[in-house]
Amino acid sequence: KAGVTQTPRYLIKTRGQQVTLSCSPISGHRSVSWYQQTPGQGLQFLFEYFSETQRNKGNFPGRFSGRQFSNSRSEMNVSTLELGDSALYLCASSLTGTGEETQYFGPGTRLLVL
Amino acid sequence: SQKIEQNSEALNIQEGKTATLTCNYTNYSPAYLQWYRQDPGRGPVFLLLIRENEKEKRKERLKVTFDTTLKQSLFHITASQPADSATYLCALGGDSNYQLIWGAGTKLIIKP
Repeated sequence: KAGVTQTPRYLIKTRGQQVTLSCSPISGHRSVSWYQQTPGQGLQFLFEYFSETQRNKGNFPGRFSGRQFSNSRSEMNVSTLELGDSALYLCASSLTGTGEETQYFGPGTRLLVL
Repeated sequence: SQKIEQNSEALNIQEGKTATLTCNYTNYSPAYLQWYRQDPGRGPVFLLLIRENEKEKRKERLKVTFDTTLKQSLFHITASQPADSATYLCALGGDSNYQLIWGAGTKLIIKP
């Protein structure tokens, strides 16, 4: 089975721009979660999608948004980029996103905002 | 608010020794706890899960303990090898919205 894939792997943007990141989950997985990881910080939960619906949302401003398609692929968008948005963005998939399910992570997209 | 603490400083261990990593939490009563390994440039990889009613879990050279009274989990790697060098993350779960709460991770360095 192919693992979780994320594109692009690296991005450089300037302040004020917007960016769209993509995540393809493991085949059959219907839950996709997005996280932001910065040095010294734990994974900060952004949101989780299941069957094209946002089921949970973390404490991030409205500039961060996402969606999920019928094939479970997911995108996240960050508008009006700020320097503090520089981070590794990880997506993780699981079968249903409930209970004790293992989360399978992609390699991440490293975003640098200049 | 819920808080998870892992050793912020890197842990240096001599090859062959046992490495012990700590995960402490406050203001939370997790139903389970997971440990993940993260290598540079990669996403975390699941290692072990332990439930609140389990005191200890083992997998090959790995052992996890969970003390809900102390609000602490210990992660042990016995007979450590340089290939075990990585950042190890703990994550707690079990509340109504199923979301995991993550620690910042501890960087483990195994010296030959």
